[in-house]
Amino acid sequence: DIQMTQSPSSLSASVGDRVTITCRASQSISSYLNWYQQKPGKAPKLLIYAASSLQSGVPSRFSGSGSGTDFTLTISSLQPEDFATYYCQQSYSTPIFTFGPGTKVDIK
Amino acid sequence: EVQLVESGGGLIQPGGSLRLSCAASGFTVSSNYMSWVRQAPGKGLEWVSVIYSGGSTYYADSVKGRFTISRDNSKNTLYLQMNSLRAEDTAVYYCASANYYDSSGILFDYWGQGTLVTVSS
Repeated sequence: DIQMTQSPSSLSASVGDRVTITCRASQSISSYLNWYQQKPGKAPKLLIYAASSLQSGVPSRFSGSGSGTDFTLTISSLQPEDFATYYCQQSYSTPIFTFGPGTKVDIK
Repeated sequence: EVQLVESGGGLIQPGGSLRLSCAASGFTVSSNYMSWVRQAPGKGLEWVSVIYSGGSTYYADSVKGRFTISRDNSKNTLYLQMNSLRAEDTAVYYCASANYYDSSGILFDYWGQGTLVTVSS
């Protein structure tokens, strides 16, 4: 089974900060990596698919990169509405899917 | 507008059964891949099951043999039949449409609001 890890597990940042979250797969998953944002009490929202493609309607301050085993989600200038938990998810092992454990971004 | 509305959650005793429903609007369930994802209280997301447009079904090892995913095309509704429930199945269950851009490129683009299942005596 493919295992996903994320770092850090949580971080504190200020509005306007550049934030980078890392996701690592236990084996190569090519570019089959998606990123989601989840706010408390809400369903997850797709941000990035195929490692670097921005989902329609998602602000351009979000970007993704990476391939193989190492991936990053970057928020170029953190906004108040971006405080949330972020999850990566691999689909390389379709039809079995795995989410990362999540990274919580809160206010410094 | 795409909308997914889950129902059927509640309090159930260990060993019991429950069926979750997910009513879809704005698209056709049978033409899409559809999935269930759950989230235990205070924990992360866990993929549970998927049904392909062709009808093939797949499950996480943690629920295989106990849960069954299905759909009713006439009602445009997705289901999750959960049997032999355990305390560790306690979670918010989300249904999601699973779209694909190639054979392994599957993403969950639309999600319901979730329904809480609590397994406790």
